[in-house]
Amino acid sequence: NAGVMQNPRHLVRRRGQEARLRCSPMKGHSHVYWYRQLPEEGLKFMVYLQKENIIDESGMPKERFSAEFPKEGPSILRIQQVVRGDSAAYFCASSPDSRGKLFFGSGTQLSVL
Amino acid sequence: QQPVQSPQAVILREGEDAVINCSSSKALYSVHWYRQKHGEAPVFLMILLKGGEQKGHEKISASFNEKKQQSSLYLTASQLSYSGTYFCGTESGANNLFFGTGTRLTVIP
Repeated sequence: NAGVMQNPRHLVRRRGQEARLRCSPMKGHSHVYWYRQLPEEGLKFMVYLQKENIIDESGMPKERFSAEFPKEGPSILRIQQVVRGDSAAYFCASSPDSRGKLFFGSGTQLSVL
Repeated sequence: QQPVQSPQAVILREGEDAVINCSSSKALYSVHWYRQKHGEAPVFLMILLKGGEQKGHEKISASFNEKKQQSSLYLTASQLSYSGTYFCGTESGANNLFFGTGTRLTVIP
């Protein structure tokens, strides 16, 4: 059973470009969480999704950030018009149910030049 | 909603014990503990549900005091492999998990 797959592993963007981060949850997992981590800091909650639904997006910036988890395909975290402050590691985690343990992907390191 | 962890960092010699604390200002449904090694993804250690239970994982155990909204992680007879950053994650009923700022544990020979 493959783990949580995130791609790309590293993503470099120039200011103003768009970044798309993908997360394929473990087989049978319908709950997906996105977290952002700055160097030497903790995991900051961004958004919690179930298939086709956003359950909690209280950690998402109001502008430029969006997330989806379609019926088919991976969950996507999209950042429009990136700025240098968006540079961070973005981790996705999945779970088979709410309140279960989280399985983390290896993360996407976003660097904005 | 972010829980508070203490200490921020601790250095141990092999074989020594450590306690990491996690507290929240909100009533908690559950507490999770994860360990992250540098450059890697966080890895699940254990979940504690409300009810004041204590769980164990090898020589790592944890307690959860629901009334005090606190949890503690106990590492006994530490090994070099225990080095990493430990995060507690707390759930307050909204079905999502908020993590603390982490405790960096370094075990030296």
